[in-house]
Amino acid sequence: EILLTQSPATLSVSPGERATLSCRASQSVSINLAWYQQKPGQAPRLLIYGASTRATGIPARFSGSGSGTEFTLTISSLQSEDFAVYYCQQYYHWPPKYSFGQGTKLDIK
Amino acid sequence: EVRLVQSGVEMKKPGESLKISCKGSGYRFTSYWIGWVRQTPGKGLEWLGLIYPGDSDTRYSPSFQGKVKITADKSTSTAFLQWSSLNVSDTAIYYCAKHRTESYYSDIFDSWGQGTLVTVSS
Repeated sequence: EILLTQSPATLSVSPGERATLSCRASQSVSINLAWYQQKPGQAPRLLIYGASTRATGIPARFSGSGSGTEFTLTISSLQSEDFAVYYCQQYYHWPPKYSFGQGTKLDIK
Repeated sequence: EVRLVQSGVEMKKPGESLKISCKGSGYRFTSYWIGWVRQTPGKGLEWLGLIYPGDSDTRYSPSFQGKVKITADKSTSTAFLQWSSLNVSDTAIYYCAKHRTESYYSDIFDSWGQGTLVTVSS
């Protein structure tokens, strides 16, 4: 099983500032890594797939990078609506053995 | 518009059976894998399994193989997740979600249902 470790668990950032979230895989997943945003009471929302491709309708302030075992989600200038929990997910194997990170909570400083 | 609409809140007792549903619309239901993901405060997001409605090919997470059953009804564009005997530990929010592409291989989930809260308590 591929374990995904996200850091930090909680990140406090002021609006307008940059946020950098990390996801580390226990073994290489190539670029088969996605990021989701989840707000309270809502389902996760796809932000990034293929490590760096923004999903449809996702603002350009969201960017993803990395490959292999180290990945980063960057939000360049935080807006009020960006404060949420962010999860990474790997989808490397077939037959599938999907796994998610434990999440990073992004809150207002 | 792609939509996945799930069945409502469930409150059950340990040992009872349950079947929850996820109805897809706005896309070709038979051509996209649908997965089930559960969320608990303690373990976060966990993937349970996938089904390809076109031929009912089903893949399970080793952690949930034999504990749940995933099925689909092409005629109603609905996927199902069922338990024959619930445990307290099955208490969670369960989401259905579809793959982003029609690829037969691993992919990400681009559309999600609203979630079904299942509470199991004596």
